[in-house]
Amino acid sequence: DAMVIQNPRYQVTQFGKPVTLSCSQTLNHNVMYWYQQKSSQAPKLLFHYYDKDFNNEADTPDNFQSRRPNTSFCFLDIRSPGLGDAAMYLCATSSRGVRAPLHFGNGTRLTVT
Amino acid sequence: GENVEQHPSTLSVQEGDSAVIKCTYSDSASNYFPWYKQELGKRPQLIIDIRSNVGEKKDQRIAVTLNKTAKHFSLHITETQPEDSAVYFCAAVADQGGKLIFGQGTELSVKP
Repeated sequence: DAMVIQNPRYQVTQFGKPVTLSCSQTLNHNVMYWYQQKSSQAPKLLFHYYDKDFNNEADTPDNFQSRRPNTSFCFLDIRSPGLGDAAMYLCATSSRGVRAPLHFGNGTRLTVT
Repeated sequence: GENVEQHPSTLSVQEGDSAVIKCTYSDSASNYFPWYKQELGKRPQLIIDIRSNVGEKKDQRIAVTLNKTAKHFSLHITETQPEDSAVYFCAAVADQGGKLIFGQGTELSVKP
């Protein structure tokens, strides 16, 4: 019944070792977002896709990349994870951009050792 | 750009009491104000939202009020229950740029 699915639920990677987080959706929403959420903080937008158009936030580090091969899937690539990248990564979708409800996935908790 | 301030950061109430969380925003062009509830270890979920052409909206025990002149909006939860315990985030969307800006969050604890 899950509509926004993130895999894996927990991910452990080593310092500097590339890692990819995935998100899929069955809602057929045209907008997909990646948020980073650290403990006791609000979600922070990293980037989003409006259809195939990629929109990067100005303060998102170059270390973070994203791919959206089709409507249903979106990936977050962290090229060289640092200890400061340990966080919960949330994928969200929307049918009409930010002025419509966001549907979040359950998140991937990333640990960097 | 838009800035959203949320207060209080923590709130503890007795079961059955009301809880109020307040947010202020800076961009007068903001026109959409959602509230998300995030239980521990879970994803944020939309609980209510309001648009700038409306002053108040209710959904059972939850209500949101918007004062465009003062640029603030509030979440009201009546007859609180232990399952209302969570972190609540307000957010605002400005017309320019269309970004969703979250407040810092309020950790609500409802004691039985």
